[in-house]
Amino acid sequence: TQLLEQSPQFLSIQEGENLTVYCNSSSVFSSLQWYRQEPGEGPVLLVTVVTGGEVKKLKRLTFQFGDARKDSSLHITAAQTGDTGLYLCAGANSNYQLIWGAGTKLIIKP
Amino acid sequence: KAGVTQTPRYLIKTRGQQVTLSCSPISGHRSVSWYQQTPGQGLQFLFEYFSETQRNKGNFPGRFSGRQFSNSRSEMNVSTLELGDSALYLCASSPEGRELFFGEGSRLTVL
Repeated sequence: TQLLEQSPQFLSIQEGENLTVYCNSSSVFSSLQWYRQEPGEGPVLLVTVVTGGEVKKLKRLTFQFGDARKDSSLHITAAQTGDTGLYLCAGANSNYQLIWGAGTKLIIKP
Repeated sequence: KAGVTQTPRYLIKTRGQQVTLSCSPISGHRSVSWYQQTPGQGLQFLFEYFSETQRNKGNFPGRFSGRQFSNSRSEMNVSTLELGDSALYLCASSPEGRELFFGEGSRLTVL
């Protein structure tokens, strides 16, 4: 059974601080996605990483895919209150199945 | 481009009843997936349909079923509702089943 462990489960920090969220697995994924979900809404796709070692930047968000394609990280620089939400990672395998992390609930305090 | 539309947005049922939820995917997307989301269990995969065929299925009892029509619209049905079925049910469409575009969900409350 493929598992994707996401940490931390909960993070509350002050506006302006930096943070990193991790997704780790013992399985290899063909790609890995990060989503953000706000209360009362469905998750929204932020980024897909495909190549081992790949780094993608989305404004203040930096996503990295591990060299072995088993893990990924999301780093937020100078967090803002608008970054508050539930962050989910999902790894795709060759059977078109998505393996989901349990999510990181992020609260940015003003 | 219109997003994923789910109906109804909110509904209340009683134990033992059945419910049907509807999902209209983004035009051109052939894959539709359904998820159950609860505070305790997180996002749980129900099933995925691709071109009217169920391609993947999660670990839910047979009370949960779904189907996809030729226009890619999808429905899911839950029979003999239980209190534990109270959740946000999310539908997501995708061109091929990997990058998902979610609807706003249908929030089901079972009394």
